[in-house]
Amino acid sequence: AQRVTQPEKLLSVFKGAPVELKCNYSYSGSPELFWYVQYSRQRLQLLLRHISRESIKGFTADLNKGETSFHLKKPFAQEEDSAMYYCALSPMNTGFQKLVFGTGTRLLVSP
Amino acid sequence: DTGVSQNPRHKITKRGQNVTFRCDPISEHNRLYWYRQTLGQGPEFLTYFQNEAQLEKSRLLSDRFSAERPKGSFSTLEIQRTEQGDSAMYLCASSRGAGLAGGSYEQYFGPGTRLTVT
Repeated sequence: AQRVTQPEKLLSVFKGAPVELKCNYSYSGSPELFWYVQYSRQRLQLLLRHISRESIKGFTADLNKGETSFHLKKPFAQEEDSAMYYCALSPMNTGFQKLVFGTGTRLLVSP
Repeated sequence: DTGVSQNPRHKITKRGQNVTFRCDPISEHNRLYWYRQTLGQGPEFLTYFQNEAQLEKSRLLSDRFSAERPKGSFSTLEIQRTEQGDSAMYLCASSRGAGLAGGSYEQYFGPGTRLTVT
């Protein structure tokens, strides 16, 4: 079975502090991993995916297959980063992209 | 707005009534997905269409739920004999087809339809 675990419901940091949102997954095959973000009163949108290896809005995430983790990191948090963050997994090579989401972590960045 | 749209945005219904939601995907997207999100949870996959063909259904989708995409464009999700447990946000997403090397295209989400069953 595919499962995504985000252990923290809420992460509260001050502006300028480093941020790490944890994500662990369980899947027997090769997954594709994503981070989605939902800002207040906006729709869910893709932040980044492990395949592209991009840094978006200063966020990065590295897939660690040994630890089955895909933690999201940012060295210096900004107030505009406050949002709900969801880690998601999709099995590769299945012909479609079913997303399995974690329960989400709310990031609150205070001034 | 050329993004994914969903109607209605909110629906309040009494237990036992039938409800239908509509999703209009981004026009060039041939894949359409439905998810359900309950309070405190992430979205849960319900079903998926490739053009007009429904190719995958979650076990979450009981026989009271039915989804269609008759012409491969918009989709409807119907819930018959609603129950209080059906109260949730219903999300629709669309994407292009499979990318190269087994990867996939980004899913674009709609704003959702919030269902409240009283």
